[in-house]
Amino acid sequence: GENVEQHPSTLSVQEGDSAVIKCTYSDSASNYFPWYKQELGKRPQLIIDIRSNVGEKKDQRIAVTLNKTAKHFSLHITETQPEDSAVYFCAASGMEGSNYKLTFGKGTLLTVNP
Amino acid sequence: NAGVTQTPKFRILKIGQSMTLQCAQDMNHNYMYWYRQDPGMGLKLIYYSVGAGITDKGEVPNGYNVSRSTTEDFPLRLELAAPSQTSVYFCASMGAGNTIYFGEGSWLTVV
Repeated sequence: GENVEQHPSTLSVQEGDSAVIKCTYSDSASNYFPWYKQELGKRPQLIIDIRSNVGEKKDQRIAVTLNKTAKHFSLHITETQPEDSAVYFCAASGMEGSNYKLTFGKGTLLTVNP
Repeated sequence: NAGVTQTPKFRILKIGQSMTLQCAQDMNHNYMYWYRQDPGMGLKLIYYSVGAGITDKGEVPNGYNVSRSTTEDFPLRLELAAPSQTSVYFCASMGAGNTIYFGEGSWLTVV
């Protein structure tokens, strides 16, 4: 099955700096790579996703890049703000046999210091 | 649409007790999932279903059972609760574009 590695496990930045979180995956058949933000005590919320036919996608201060050859993808947050503080999860998904499955990384605790 | 609804939100169980976590979605999604999230950890897949009447094991199925009698409902049953099952449980369903929608979570403590 799919294995997703996520680094770093914790990340502390100053407000206004950029933050980068990296993930690698093992299954070359995976074709969908979402990123989730989870605030303390809340459910994970989708913030951005990318599919295997796209190399980069941006949404305001958030961007995701995908390198299918190297099997890694990254989340970039620019001009960080204190409200960006949360746990971020990457995930990879695709068909496994006839079933669709999503595998998560272990998460990155991002702290943005004012 | 209410999305994915889970109940109860909080529950304390004694070792050996059984309970069912309820999950319902009103988006007519075929795929549904149960994840558990231990403190400071990621999400681990317990069971999933690709449609009514079809379920399959995920990464950590031991100690749990599921059923999928309708498209809307996907309850998770804990038999003989153990302290290792203390966790936050998230039900989810998959919609268009493979987007996963999570319920609000159920906090379970086994003492």
